[in-house]
Amino acid sequence: NAGVTQTPKFRILKIGQSMTLQCAQDMNHNYMYWYRQDPGMGLKLIYYSVGAGITDKGEVPNGYNVSRSTTEDFPLRLELAAPSQTSVYFCASSYSSRGTDTQYFGPGTRLTVL
Amino acid sequence: GDSVTQMEGPVTLSEEAFLTINCTYTATGYPSLFWYVQYPGEGLQLLLKATKADDKGSNKGFEATYRKETTSFHLEKGSVQVSDSAVYFCALGSTSYGKLTFGQGTILTVHP
Repeated sequence: NAGVTQTPKFRILKIGQSMTLQCAQDMNHNYMYWYRQDPGMGLKLIYYSVGAGITDKGEVPNGYNVSRSTTEDFPLRLELAAPSQTSVYFCASSYSSRGTDTQYFGPGTRLTVL
Repeated sequence: GDSVTQMEGPVTLSEEAFLTINCTYTATGYPSLFWYVQYPGEGLQLLLKATKADDKGSNKGFEATYRKETTSFHLEKGSVQVSDSAVYFCALGSTSYGKLTFGQGTILTVHP
């Protein structure tokens, strides 16, 4: 049981480039989330999904897109990368949306945009 | 809207010292409260949680009590170890799509 996996671990992009951050979970969780963590700050929610084919915006969605074609995978797409997107990105999943459930986090992707 | 405020860090302690990290929250309704820990180079993992007022969450010697009257969820440990060095996040769980609202995190460093 691998839990939540993310690739790549590190990436450097040039301004204007695009990339996809991969996230997968093997716990059969319906709910998946993308957060970004800026230095000295808590995590901010970018997008979330309540199941395959259903996604919605979080607090800071601008500059990102997501899709959810399967229960297991929830990729995050950055279009036209900007320095403001330099951050550590975490994917998470949970069994339900009750607010009492534990979210399980991946190891993160450290992205630098130069 | 929901918000979480943690004590300013970083916190530096000697081994076996007593630890308190303060956390207060603002929320509508009856949220669940969590402490997550992030060890160097890793993702976040749940340390403990409490789902209703007066509940006490505990794990690995850490404790926190959900105090509705003071809207607080302070983290305590009686005797810290070097291996407790990490970043600690207080978070509030909403019934709205399970969203977590995080505090800014507190860096804890424990010296031998």
